[in-house]
Amino acid sequence: GENVEQHPSTLSVQEGDSAVIKCTYSDSASNYFPWYKQELGKGPQLIIDIRSNVGEKKDQRIAVTLNKTAKHFSLHITETQPEDSAVYFCAAASGGSYIPTFGRGTSLIVHP
Amino acid sequence: SAVISQKPSRDICQRGTSLTIQCQVDSQVTMMFWYRQQPGQSLTLIATANQGSEATYESGFVIDKFPISRPNLTFSTLTVSNMSPEDSSIYLCSVVFRVAGELFFGEGSRLTVL
Repeated sequence: GENVEQHPSTLSVQEGDSAVIKCTYSDSASNYFPWYKQELGKGPQLIIDIRSNVGEKKDQRIAVTLNKTAKHFSLHITETQPEDSAVYFCAAASGGSYIPTFGRGTSLIVHP
Repeated sequence: SAVISQKPSRDICQRGTSLTIQCQVDSQVTMMFWYRQQPGQSLTLIATANQGSEATYESGFVIDKFPISRPNLTFSTLTVSNMSPEDSSIYLCSVVFRVAGELFFGEGSRLTVL
């Protein structure tokens, strides 16, 4: 089955800096890669996703890149703000599956 | 976007008792799932809630411990039976609204077993 590795487990940055979270996956059939943000006491929120027919997708301060050859994808957050502090999960799913495999999460801390 | 409501949002329970968690969505969904998130951990799929039939359980999860119902397209329940402290977790309802669509989560039910 699919295996998703996520790094780092903890990331501490200063407000205004950029943050990058990286994930690798094992199943070459995976073609859907969502990212979730989980704030303390809340459920995971889908913030951005990418499908294998594109290499990059942006939404304001966040972007995701995908390298299918190397089987890795990354989340980039620019101009970080304290409200970006949360746990971020990457995930991978293969063709038509509704059930992604999740990474172990990255705790992002943005210091004011 | 649609609203996914879970009840209770949190509870403290005694060992050996059972608790039923409800999930209500305000529009029809294609698929409904139940996840468990142990403290500081990732998301683990418990089962797929099938409308009008038995749920499909993942390895390590059994119907006797986690009975699930889904009587219609917008409602499901998960029961955590004969609870022990190891069952202390966040239980999350999740849904897919359309074929090959995105997975969305409710706010979770935070369960503490003493």
